[in-house]
Amino acid sequence: GQQVMQIPQYQHVQEGEDFTTYCNSSTTLSNIQWYKQRPGGHPVFLIQLVKSGEVKKQKRLTFQFGEAKKNSSLHITATQTTDVGTYFCADVISSGSARQLTFGSGTQLTVLP
Amino acid sequence: DAGVIQSPRHEVTEMGQEVTLRCKPISGHDYLFWYRQTMMRGLELLIYFNNNVPIDDSGMPEDRFSAKMPNASFSTLKIQPSEPRDSAVYFCASSLFSGEGSNQPQHFGDGTRLSIL
Repeated sequence: GQQVMQIPQYQHVQEGEDFTTYCNSSTTLSNIQWYKQRPGGHPVFLIQLVKSGEVKKQKRLTFQFGEAKKNSSLHITATQTTDVGTYFCADVISSGSARQLTFGSGTQLTVLP
Repeated sequence: DAGVIQSPRHEVTEMGQEVTLRCKPISGHDYLFWYRQTMMRGLELLIYFNNNVPIDDSGMPEDRFSAKMPNASFSTLKIQPSEPRDSAVYFCASSLFSGEGSNQPQHFGDGTRLSIL
């Protein structure tokens, strides 16, 4: 089945530095959803990208969908300790009654105060 | 509104025992998903239901795993007999179908942390 590769696996940054995680696929992605999981918590939906080249912003977070819909990125500007957690991208499979997500491996972000 | 409710939050049991995990989806949601999360394998989809009917169970590891959804507000994931390699966090999630071609987010429960000794 389709695999979604996510890099890096781990990232340590100093508070105030920027952070980016990348999601790549060898085949065209339909839609991309991004989730955040705090340590000990559960995945929480952040955003969905649908269109080629789409860019969406949520405060300090910027989400981008590649022109070929084979990659996506999440960029956090000026990280804060509250940004700590694992960020997952997920390919959305939607056809008929089929509705499922294929999650990337996630990027675990540590923010050092 | 209450989110997805899972029970128990933690379960520690000896190998060979039967384990039953429970999930109550968000009211009105017509999709329910069971995931397993481990360090080695990440977040894996085990099975999902639409309107209480299993749609895809290809992620269920083996016959020791079974899942049911007897009604729109309740689902169980059962492992019998359990083995140490089943130790993981099991998440239930639900979502709402909002029309062909559109996709709603999945809402996850707090998970069940399962340890098989």
